Amino acid sequence: EVQLVESGGGLVQPGGSLRLSCAVSGFTLSDRYMDWVRQAPGKGLEWVGRTRNKADSYTTEYAASVKGRFTISRDDSKNSLFLQMNGLKSEDTAMYYCARVINCGGRSCPDSWGQGTLVTVSS
Amino acid sequence: DIQMTQSPSSLSASVGDRVTITCRASQGISNYLAWFQQKPGKAPKSLIYAASSLQSGVPSHFSGSGSGTAFTLTISSLQPEDFATYYCQQYHSYPHSFGPGTKVDIK
Repeated sequence: EVQLVESGGGLVQPGGSLRLSCAVSGFTLSDRYMDWVRQAPGKGLEWVGRTRNKADSYTTEYAASVKGRFTISRDDSKNSLFLQMNGLKSEDTAMYYCARVINCGGRSCPDSWGQGTLVTVSS
Repeated sequence: DIQMTQSPSSLSASVGDRVTITCRASQGISNYLAWFQQKPGKAPKSLIYAASSLQSGVPSHFSGSGSGTAFTLTISSLQPEDFATYYCQQYHSYPHSFGPGTKVDIK
């Protein structure tokens, strides 16, 4: 069974940092691209970024709103995905989801999601 | 960047109704379009990829169609468990933008 479990959320002051983790099981992480998606309270889904798999050199993509502040990394040996968030702003307050990405007809899209971890940026 | 729109933003329907939600992309995305369902307080659930292919385990009363810039999600006979918010997402090019969502509630 595919499982993704996020952790590391919490309350942080503006300008602060936080590192989110996503522990995965039921599949081989090194084979997979992985996404981070967030959802501000009462709002819609926002794609945050992607890490490609080992075969594609773990390259990354980011939304403009987080580029230069957020970094996606992974430790395949520990079945873990990470989101390092620096320079946090109030508008980064959201539930953060990790998602497994699969081949969706030639390009890649999410198929399985974690339950999310809540990040609140406030003084 | 590609902008995604959805209509309507919300709708009220009854169990057994046929429901159609429209998603439009600001430029052509071929069929690189996914649909997700989200219930309050829960993570999204993947429903459809490549505009019309059902993810594993998704009931057959869900269907999708479209290509280019216009797409639809159809629920052929609304079930009690289908009351939720539905999002489309393009994965043609980065950033992989979502539509604003369509909330389906009980009439």
